[in-house]
Amino acid sequence: DTGVSQNPRHKITKRGQNVTFRCDPISEHNRLYWYRQTLGQGPEFLTYFQNEAQLEKSRLLSDRFSAERPKGSFSTLEIQRTEQGDSAMYLCASSTLYYEQYFGPGTRLTVT
Amino acid sequence: DQQVKQNSPSLSVQEGRISILNCDYTNSMFDYFLWYKKYPAEGPTFLISISSIKDKNEDGRFTVFLNKSAKHLSLHIVPSQPGDSAVYFCAASDGGGSNYKLTFGKGTLLTVNP
Repeated sequence: DTGVSQNPRHKITKRGQNVTFRCDPISEHNRLYWYRQTLGQGPEFLTYFQNEAQLEKSRLLSDRFSAERPKGSFSTLEIQRTEQGDSAMYLCASSTLYYEQYFGPGTRLTVT
Repeated sequence: DQQVKQNSPSLSVQEGRISILNCDYTNSMFDYFLWYKKYPAEGPTFLISISSIKDKNEDGRFTVFLNKSAKHLSLHIVPSQPGDSAVYFCAASDGGGSNYKLTFGKGTLLTVNP
C-alpha cells in the first residue's frame, strides 16, 4: 500500500511534555499538509509544505508547534510543552498538482 | 467565521433510498469543492469533487451538484448502502492563492439502515 502513513497512531502524554509525530506522504506527492481535528469539527489547516519549503502556517500554529520536511520527503510535527487543549487528531495529507488531497490515518494525541 | 457549513449534523436513510447531504459556503473565492468520507479511527477518504465551472459531477452512485448563485452544493448517493454509513465532510479551496489548502465543514453523520 503506498498511501499516506502516520506514526504513531496514538500518543498519550502528560501536560508539559514534548511530542513529535511523523508523516510519510505518497512518494510522488510534492505538497504536504498538516491539519488538526477536534471532536465535532472538521479538519482545520495547520501548515503547508511544497517540497522542503514551509510556505504557509495557520495562526492556529502557536510558537510551541514546529514542523519540518527535510529533503522534501517525510515530515515531522513537534509540539513543545503540551497543553490539554492540544488534545486532538493530527492529520497529514499529500497531493500533487491537483486539488485532491489524500489523508493519512491520523495521530490521536491525548494530553493528561 | 465558518466559511463552509454543513447544517445537518446527522441524516438517517433506508438502504436503497437516496441520501442527500448538503453544504453551503460563504467565500466567493472558492473555486473547487470536494467531499470526503470518514470512518471512525481513520483519516478522511476522498470521494468526489467538482470545479466551479461545472454544475454537476457524477461517479458511480455518487453525484455532486453545485449551485454557485446560491453558494450551495449537495452530494447525492443512490442507492444508499449500509457501508456508506460514515461522516461526510464538505471541503472547499480557493486554489493556488491559498496554496490549495482545504476548508472543511463540520461534517454530517450518515446512517444507512438495512
